[in-house]
Amino acid sequence: AQKVTQAQTEISVVEKEDVTLDCVYETRDTTYYLFWYKQPPSGELVFLIRRNSFDEQNEISGRYSWNFQKSTSSFNFTITASQVVDSAVYFCALKAAGNKLTFGGGTRVLVKP
Amino acid sequence: EAGVAQSPRYKIIEKRQSVAFWCNPISGHATLYWYQQILGQGPKLLIQFQNNGVVDDSQLPKDRFSAERLKGVDSTLKIQPAKLEDSAVYLCASSSISRGPRGELFFGEGSRLTVL
Repeated sequence: AQKVTQAQTEISVVEKEDVTLDCVYETRDTTYYLFWYKQPPSGELVFLIRRNSFDEQNEISGRYSWNFQKSTSSFNFTITASQVVDSAVYFCALKAAGNKLTFGGGTRVLVKP
Repeated sequence: EAGVAQSPRYKIIEKRQSVAFWCNPISGHATLYWYQQILGQGPKLLIQFQNNGVVDDSQLPKDRFSAERLKGVDSTLKIQPAKLEDSAVYLCASSSISRGPRGELFFGEGSRLTVL
């Protein structure tokens, strides 16, 4: 069975601060993919980033960066220099065999001006 | 490229009534998903189709929920009879089979159901 846990329910920051979102996952599969999605107030889930299980190199894409650690089953996501438009709910998700995408409970990020 | 289309956006019904939601995926996407998102929670998979076949419906409450994708393109999700706890946003998503498990899902705007 697959499981994704996001322990932080809500984070509030002031604009330009960095925000790090935690994600811990469980799967028995050796090949899997991890995703982060953003859900703004409009409701549509927007794909942000993806990481596969066999490449632990951490990456940066614009203001987004992610830290994947297989040893601790964690896939943390950081927004650098947050902006008000980053206010949304962020979901970590796992896809293994069968192409089923399993989501965590989400972390609400509030960026104050 | 057109995104995933869903309708209606909003629906209010009384308990024990029926409701149907429609989804048209991105053109060429063989895999279609229906998720239920209760307020304050993450989306939960109800059913996954590949073309017109069901891949996973293990979390679909089959006594009241049904879904079909007859021609392998658009899909309908039905609830009959509705219960109060069915109040949620129903999200449709699609993905390209050629990208395999690395392929991201593309989501529609969702259909918000309120059961009174």
